[in-house]
Amino acid sequence: GAGVSQSPSNKVTEKGKDVELRCDPISGHTALYWYRQSLGQGLEFLIYFQGNSAPDKSGLPSDRFSAERTGGSVSTLTIQRTQQEDSAVYLCASSPRQGWYEQYFGPGTRLTVT
Amino acid sequence: AQSVTQLDSQVPVFEEAPVELRCNYSSSVSVYLFWYVQYPNQGLQLLLKYLSGSTLVKGINGFEAEFNKSQTSFHLRKPSVHISDTAEYFCAVSVWEYGNKLVFGAGTILRVKS
Repeated sequence: GAGVSQSPSNKVTEKGKDVELRCDPISGHTALYWYRQSLGQGLEFLIYFQGNSAPDKSGLPSDRFSAERTGGSVSTLTIQRTQQEDSAVYLCASSPRQGWYEQYFGPGTRLTVT
Repeated sequence: AQSVTQLDSQVPVFEEAPVELRCNYSSSVSVYLFWYVQYPNQGLQLLLKYLSGSTLVKGINGFEAEFNKSQTSFHLRKPSVHISDTAEYFCAVSVWEYGNKLVFGAGTILRVKS
């Protein structure tokens, strides 16, 4: 079946602009995670959605970052007033209720802030 | 809080030789342990996991890892590597009570030479 998909695959934006990154999880997966992969910080957790529960936002680096998950499926990560340090690969993962421990990762969105 | 240390940033090895990628973790609670592989310009793929039970776990592509609680280690091994194993490998831990979000090590680049 289809895996986790993310769009766009690459995004170049100017400093100060807002960007939206999209994640389509595997159908039926109840949990959805966002991670960021950057040269300086490695792979780090950003935010986690589980069903209808309130999201765990503990990894968001600043209030310029936000995310939502509509209808328990698609998620959008929004970065406002982008800064150069936001340049990174943003990875989305989802996991099922059964087999909750295994996260399936998408290919990522490479964000470059100029 | 949990943390993961991958002791080698790069490991060069000749084809058909054995390899070990080292991983140590710290946590005040029981953790689940994972190894992921990332091929160039791709997302993360789960190699293997330890949840409970037998401390020797086998994964895909001939990899295995051994959980050692006393040494807080989860080293990854393969008896004979192939050129196609060239990739970056990430060790990660998660805690169910914390929503199963993954905490990653810095990664080890495995370079297989012919």
